[in-house]
Amino acid sequence: QVQLVESGGGVVQPGRSLRLSCAASGFTFSSYAMHWVRQAPGKGLEWVAVISYDGNNKFHADSVKGRVTISRDSSKNTLYLQINSLRAEDTAVYYCARDRGRYLDWLFHFDYWGQGTLVTVSS
Amino acid sequence: EIVLTQSPGTLSLSPGERVTLSCRASQSVSSSYLAWYQQKPGQAPRLLIYGASSRATGIPDRFSGSGSGTDFTLTISRLEPEDFAVYYCQHYGSSPWTFGQGTKVEIK
Repeated sequence: QVQLVESGGGVVQPGRSLRLSCAASGFTFSSYAMHWVRQAPGKGLEWVAVISYDGNNKFHADSVKGRVTISRDSSKNTLYLQINSLRAEDTAVYYCARDRGRYLDWLFHFDYWGQGTLVTVSS
Repeated sequence: EIVLTQSPGTLSLSPGERVTLSCRASQSVSSSYLAWYQQKPGQAPRLLIYGASSRATGIPDRFSGSGSGTDFTLTISRLEPEDFAVYYCQHYGSSPWTFGQGTKVEIK
């Protein structure tokens, strides 16, 4: 079965960096685009970034552009999110999610989600 | 960017009741690229509906979606105890993907 397991969250000081990971299993990871979505405590869902199946295309939300980099390593079936210059407003649960589309037929909804990893930015 | 506005913010209902949730887009959503998700406390969202009206795998038929253009609706025909949750609509098909602010369905 499809499994997505995030890791790398924790308490981080403002201005520091963090790399989140999402380990995928149960499907052909290299065939699917993947997303990061975050949810601040008690708030709604906010899309953060997407990377195409081959890593050649990436889109980021304006709210994080310039501070966030999405990447993937298909040899390790792992998705990453590097967040630099962390701010208090980056405090959230970060979810990875699979795009329903495969290969170049992407930009769809999210059919599988991980359980999330909590990032708390605090001094 | 397509802004999605959900209404109402909260619904207080009893099991067995019919529920209608609204999602309005700031501009027309092409090809009905509109999805609905359910989220329970402490859990990840779960896909319910995609393409405005197609049920995801394993979703009971009491859940249905409709609409096109800028106005979309999620209907739960008869509320079950496990349906009390927050529901989000989502636009997809182009960047940025956007979500509505959510509608909470709570037990009356």
